[in-house]
Order: sequence, then structure tokens, then C-alpha cells
Amino acid sequence: GAVVSQHPSRVICKSGTSVKIECRSLDFQATTMFWYRQFPKQSLMLMATSNEGSKATYEQGVEKDKFLINHASLTLSTLTVTSAHPEDSSFYICSARSLNYGYTFGSGTRLTVV
Amino acid sequence: QQQVKQSPQSLIVQKGGISIINCAYENTAFDYFPWYQQFPGKGPALLIAIRPDVSEKKEGRFTISFNKSAKQFSLHIMDSQPGDSATYFCAAQGGSEKLVFGKGTKLTVNP
Repeated sequence: GAVVSQHPSRVICKSGTSVKIECRSLDFQATTMFWYRQFPKQSLMLMATSNEGSKATYEQGVEKDKFLINHASLTLSTLTVTSAHPEDSSFYICSARSLNYGYTFGSGTRLTVV
Repeated sequence: QQQVKQSPQSLIVQKGGISIINCAYENTAFDYFPWYQQFPGKGPALLIAIRPDVSEKKEGRFTISFNKSAKQFSLHIMDSQPGDSATYFCAAQGGSEKLVFGKGTKLTVNP
């Protein structure tokens, strides 16, 4: 079956620093990748949609300069949280879409900014 | 309107019972309706999905019932087990690549 690997699973960083989260589709090529943010006991909130080689499309209210998305290949997308602040602490989840497997989600990254 | 309404918010059932979660949508462009299971600290995992050309789909203990005219779909978990305790999300997609999620249902199955 389709597997999406997301790293790291947990990260603690200091306020003002940047953090990069990686999302890889291991055994398939993804036509589109998605980044979500999830607050405790809430649903997934779509942050952005990205396609390989093109700029990400951000949802309304998401700061594109704070949440940098790079979709370098059909199997890799990265989310960089720049100049992180405590309010950026959250659970971040990526998803990869393919024609054969539909939407496959990564295991998530718990970001804590101290 | 891009919205999927899910109920109940939480559900407690006894082991062996039937768990039922309902979702309703407005956008008639939706043509793919998946259900996801999420355990704490993990990403969602696809449980079962349906397209509107069928009214029911069953996979093991999990069944989706789909009512196109009412724009509603539901997840039935038969013989619920404590290991089924998780948060369940319905979703819908169509007209764009985005999945639209319901707000989730926290299921607790008591032993």
C-alpha cells in the first residue's frame, strides 16, 4: 500500500528559529501534496496545496512567508516554519495524492516552540 | 458551500455494539466520500470510502451508507471493539483536489 513518511515526528525549537518538516511518498509519485495543521480536539485545517515544481497555493489566512512550502520532486515536499513563535506550536500533517492510492497521510509532526 | 457537517461530536458504545456516525454535505460537486480514523498523535488513516454511484459499501466491520438525494452519508461500525476507540473524520472531495473534513467524532468503546 501507499506510505507517506513524515519527519520529524516531534520537534522542539526556540522562539525565533526555523524548523523544516519533510514529507515523502515512499512507494508512489504524488500528483499533489497538502499540508494541514491540527489543533487539539479539532479537525484538520488545510494550510496549502502544492504541486511539484510550482508555487504552493495557500489557504486564506495562512502566512506564506511564515510557512514556506517547497515541492522539489514528485515524492518530496517540505514545510518550513520560519521565525517560529509559541503560537505556531501545533500538530502538522502532510498528505500526498495519487491517482492509484487517493489521499495518503503522513504520521504528523508535533511542533513545540519554547 | 464547502462544508461537511458531522455528528455526533462524541460517542460512547459498549463492546460488541454498533457505532453510527453521520455526515451531511451541501456541495453537489462532491463525488468522493472517505472516512478516516485517527489515533492520538498520529495522522489520519483511510478506513473506507464511497462514490455516489453506490448506496452502500462494506469492508469487514465497517459500512458506509450513502443517500445521494438527502446528501448524507454515514459510517457504521459493527461489533465495536475497544481498539476502535479513536477519532473518526468524514470527508468529501469533488470539483477541486481539496478534501473537506467534518469536525470529527471521538468514539469510545467500553470493554
